[in-house]
Amino acid sequence: GAVVSQHPSWVICKSGTSVKIECRSLDFQATTMFWYRQFPKQSLMLMATSNEGSKATYEQGVEKDKFLINHASLTLSTLTVTSAHPEDSSFYICSARVPTRATLYEQYFGPGTRLTVT
Amino acid sequence: AQRVTQPEKLLSVFKGAPVELKCNYSYSGSPELFWYVQYSRQRLQLLLRHISRESIKGFTADLNKGETSFHLKKPFAQEEDSAMYYCALSTGKLIFGQGTTLQVKP
Repeated sequence: GAVVSQHPSWVICKSGTSVKIECRSLDFQATTMFWYRQFPKQSLMLMATSNEGSKATYEQGVEKDKFLINHASLTLSTLTVTSAHPEDSSFYICSARVPTRATLYEQYFGPGTRLTVT
Repeated sequence: AQRVTQPEKLLSVFKGAPVELKCNYSYSGSPELFWYVQYSRQRLQLLLRHISRESIKGFTADLNKGETSFHLKKPFAQEEDSAMYYCALSTGKLIFGQGTTLQVKP
C-alpha cells in the first residue's frame, strides 16, 4: 500500500518562531496532498489542499500567511507554521491522494506531527 | 451543504456483542463514502469503501441513499476493535464526521 511519512513526529518550539513539517509519499507520486489539524479526541479539520507546482487551496478560516504550504515536488509537501503561538499547538496530519481502480481517489495518511508551542 | 454526522461520540459494548456505528451524510451528488479507523497511537487508516462492498475485519457498511446513511456494523465485537472510527465523504477532498470511539469491554 501507499506509505506517507511525516517529519518530525513531534516538535516543541518557542512562541514567535517558525516550524516546518514535512510530508513525503515514499513509494508513489502524489500530485495532491492534504493538511489536517486534529485536536485531542476530536475529528480532523481540513486546513488546505496542496497541489504540486501550484498554490495551495486553503479552507475557510485558515490563515494562509500563518500556515505556509509548499508542494515543490511530487513526493514532498511542507507546512510551515509561522510566528507560532501556543494556540497553534495541535496534531498536524498530512495525507496524499492516490488514484485507484475501485474508487476515483483514496487518501493515505501520515502518522502526524505533534506541535507544542511554549 | 456537504456534511457527515456521527451522532455517537462514544459507543461501549461487551466483547461478542453486535456493534453499529452510525453515520449520516448530506450531499447533493453521488456520494463516495469511507470508514477510517484510528487505533491508539497509530495513524488513520482506511477500513472500508462503500463502492467495494467488502468486509474487513468482520465489519461491513451498506450505503442507504434513501436514508442517506452509511452505518458500520459488526456482528460480534472484539476487544481489538476498540478504536476511533471516522465516517468520511469524498467530494474530491474528504469530509470527516466527528468520530465515534468504540470501546469493547472484556
